[in-house]
Amino acid sequence: DAGVIQSPRHEVTEMGQEVTLRCKPISGHDYLFWYRQTMMRGLELLIYFNNNVPIDDSGMPEDRFSAKMPNASFSTLKIQPSEPRDSAVYFCASSPPGRYEQYFGPGTRLTVT
Amino acid sequence: GDSVTQMEGPVTLSEEAFLTINCTYTATGYPSLFWYVQYPGEGLQLLLKATKADDKGSNKGFEATYRKETTSFHLEKGSVQVSDSAVYFCALSEHTGGFKTIFGAGTRLFVKA
Repeated sequence: DAGVIQSPRHEVTEMGQEVTLRCKPISGHDYLFWYRQTMMRGLELLIYFNNNVPIDDSGMPEDRFSAKMPNASFSTLKIQPSEPRDSAVYFCASSPPGRYEQYFGPGTRLTVT
Repeated sequence: GDSVTQMEGPVTLSEEAFLTINCTYTATGYPSLFWYVQYPGEGLQLLLKATKADDKGSNKGFEATYRKETTSFHLEKGSVQVSDSAVYFCALSEHTGGFKTIFGAGTRLFVKA
C-alpha cells in the first residue's frame, strides 16, 4: 500500500516567492496533519483536518501560511510570501478512523534564500 | 495541559548494549502512548504503541509498557544495532474536544560498531 505522498521533496526558493507544498494522505484515513520540523523548535503542529474540514489551525505561524483540503485525497500548504525563517522540513501525516497513530510522509525540505 | 518529557540526548551506545530511553507524560484523560522513530532524511515512523494502562507495545525488539501509576512509557531494547541509530520520539494522543497529539522533543541515539 502506498504511504503518505508529499511533493516536492526539496524546494529552494527566493524570499518573497510563493511556495506550495502538496500531500496525498493514505486512502481511507480521515485525519490529515501538517507539521514543521526545525532543529531549534523541533516538531510543530501547524494545522489538522478531519474529513477535509480544518479543525485547529492555531499552530499556523502567520497569515502568510494557508492550508486547504479540497477532497479526501489531497491537501496543500501554501506560504506567500516566503521568508528565510520558513526554511524547515514540512511533514504531512494522516490517521485512520478510530485510531490514534499517525502515518508520516517523507517530508518536503524547504529552503528560502 | 498535557505534556511529554523524554530524556535528552544524544545517547551513545556500543553495539549489543542495552537501551533505555525514558519518557514520562502528564494528561488529563486516558491517552494512547506511542514511540515513533525517525531515520535521517525520513519522516517519523510508528515504532510501537499502547492504548491502556499495563499494555506492552513491542516491535523489532523494542518494548515499552504503559505505566499509569508512574505516568511513564520508557523505551527499551536488549541489544541495539548500528541500524538503530535514529531519533526516537515519545508521544501521546487522545480525542478530547479534538484530536490531540503531543510529541516529546526527541532523543537521538548513536550506536557504535
